[in-house]
Amino acid sequence: GNSVTQMEGPVTLSEEAFLTINCTYTATGYPSLFWYVQYPGEGLQLLLKATKADDKGSNKGFEATYRKETTSFHLEKGSVQVSDSAVYFCALDGDSNYQLIWGAGTKLIIKP
Amino acid sequence: GAVVSQHPSRVICKSGTSVKIECRSLDFQATTMFWYRQFPKKSLMLMATSNEGSKATYEQGVEKDKFLINHASLTLSTLTVTSAHPEDSSFYICSALSGNTEAFFGQGTRLTVV
Repeated sequence: GNSVTQMEGPVTLSEEAFLTINCTYTATGYPSLFWYVQYPGEGLQLLLKATKADDKGSNKGFEATYRKETTSFHLEKGSVQVSDSAVYFCALDGDSNYQLIWGAGTKLIIKP
Repeated sequence: GAVVSQHPSRVICKSGTSVKIECRSLDFQATTMFWYRQFPKKSLMLMATSNEGSKATYEQGVEKDKFLINHASLTLSTLTVTSAHPEDSSFYICSALSGNTEAFFGQGTRLTVV
């Protein structure tokens, strides 16, 4: 069945460091891929998405490219800030049209 | 990690009836729970934020009289879809905050209104 695997956290970085959070997936068909972010004390927010192979989603300096050949959708940011500290979730839409398949989430901690 | 149990996982109901969905945090206390809805092929949409002992905060465009939320205890929040109609058919998912920093998700509920 469909599944999403994220790197385990927490990931701790210094401010201005380069960030990569790995996400790989298993899916039949051609799912859309998402990154959601949850800041402390808040609900989920959609960060970015990609709907087909080779698409690049981007928002707030974050990017992720839909790589069908490696079944990956890694999240990257060139220079992180303390305000990026949050939990990041990778997800894909399953073939039911109703359900997102979620990764377990990766907690990111950015130290000044 | 912490466990959030959402029940039922699937429900089919007749148009005009009401359906209650439960969200329980099994091994932690959650002062805040979130309810989301996903339309087909769309991203998850936050419906409301549920705080224990107080009224839920609804997002713009969400009818509070249609989607009743009760967060009566630190481990239970319920979402009741009142007078359900076919357009309410969707996937509903809850999440519970543990320690105000980490959210854990329920398994989701697929509601079909016929």
